[in-house]
Amino acid sequence: AQTVTQSQPEMSVQEAETVTLSCTYDTSESDYYLFWYKQPPSRQMILVIRQEAYKQQNATENRFSVNFQKAAKSFSLKISDSQLGDAAMYFCAYRSRIQGAQKLVFGQGTRLTINP
Amino acid sequence: ETGVTQSPTHLIKTRGQQVTLRCSSQSGHNTVSWYQQALGQGPQFIFQYYREEENGRGNFPPRFSGLQFPNYSSELNVNALELDDSALYLCASSLTGQPTTREFFGPGTRLTVL
Repeated sequence: AQTVTQSQPEMSVQEAETVTLSCTYDTSESDYYLFWYKQPPSRQMILVIRQEAYKQQNATENRFSVNFQKAAKSFSLKISDSQLGDAAMYFCAYRSRIQGAQKLVFGQGTRLTINP
Repeated sequence: ETGVTQSPTHLIKTRGQQVTLRCSSQSGHNTVSWYQQALGQGPQFIFQYYREEENGRGNFPPRFSGLQFPNYSSELNVNALELDDSALYLCASSLTGQPTTREFFGPGTRLTVL
């Protein structure tokens, strides 16, 4: 079974600075997706960025980028120029590409605080 | 951001009761997944419905059951509620058959069992 681990329960950063959130995962599959989701106090899970395992190039979305290390099974999220609106819980998630239920496996989450 | 809606927003029940939660999926999506998120935890997969049939289940007992309707909306039913069922219940819709499909989450239903 796949597992996802986020070792940082809480992180804080000064506004406008850069922060990196860590995620490791365990799987025997070679083809899968990895995601970072943001969950603000409003509770709605919002997709931040997605990485396909067969792509070597790291995904980027504006101020958000990932460092995907497939051999190390590591998938960290870098947030540049942090903004107050970035404050939220961040969840790393895994999804298999194998046919069948395409369930997401989530980590425990990292609470990100932005200091003004 | 998403067209996924859930009702009710909040719900309070007592132990032993039954509850039904509802989810309306994003237009054009044919798959609904349900997740349970306990306080301070990541969401846990309950089950998924595709074309009105259960298409996979997580480690949840049979008292958790569901339905998907022809319009792809869905219900989650929980019988014989226990205190540990208190959680945020999230539904997510997606389009099975599209390789690049992604999940769109609803805002969740907060269930409190007393």
